Amino acid sequence: GAGVSQTPSNKVTEKGKYVELRCDPISGHTALYWYRQSLGQGPEFLIYFQGTGAADDSGLPNDRFFAVRPEGSVSTLKIQRTERGDSAVYLCASSPTGGVAEAFFGQGTRLTVV
Amino acid sequence: GQNIDQPTEMTATEGAIVQINCTYQTSGFNGLFWYQQHAGEAPTFLSYNVLDGLEEKGRFSSFLSRSKGYSYLLLKELQMKDSASYLCAVVDSNYQLIWGAGTKLIIKP
Repeated sequence: GAGVSQTPSNKVTEKGKYVELRCDPISGHTALYWYRQSLGQGPEFLIYFQGTGAADDSGLPNDRFFAVRPEGSVSTLKIQRTERGDSAVYLCASSPTGGVAEAFFGQGTRLTVV
Repeated sequence: GQNIDQPTEMTATEGAIVQINCTYQTSGFNGLFWYQQHAGEAPTFLSYNVLDGLEEKGRFSSFLSRSKGYSYLLLKELQMKDSASYLCAVVDSNYQLIWGAGTKLIIKP
């Protein structure tokens, strides 16, 4: 597509539920990043994919968070047993290669855990 | 630890010039990005510096001093649409982006 697409744009869920957030990167971009952004803060790194593999998942806060990119394009961020502290905007970005390259961001998914 | 410092908020007048500073302490350095983020929207790329000096791009310029761990973003001829947050991000030795918290810029008529 023309840009990075994230769905849903908004998600409200109850504490303890499971959620999946989807990211469609720009076609041909091999690098894909997930970030979490709270109000008034910069993006917080979660995980980085190069192709199908997670090259760096050191930012995932705990084992409730998991992400996949099975075919090297679309990625899904999965959060189990959601907690109110998980409420944030989850941003996905892609870039043509890894290393140093301009990252193109999606509009984000605003997750609210009630 | 790794640290990026930017002022939390700045105010400037339409038509004027404003300079947003960023200082950093990171494990390694492979370049510095500036992004613009309007409220409720995704960050969009403004500039990338990896060598010392000034990079000019229209109304926006970005400066880097690696020895001082310092960068600034200079915005000229400010317009109301420039009201946004400006994020500084450094590429560390692992080629990961370390982000500052952003500077909220308020433009007044």
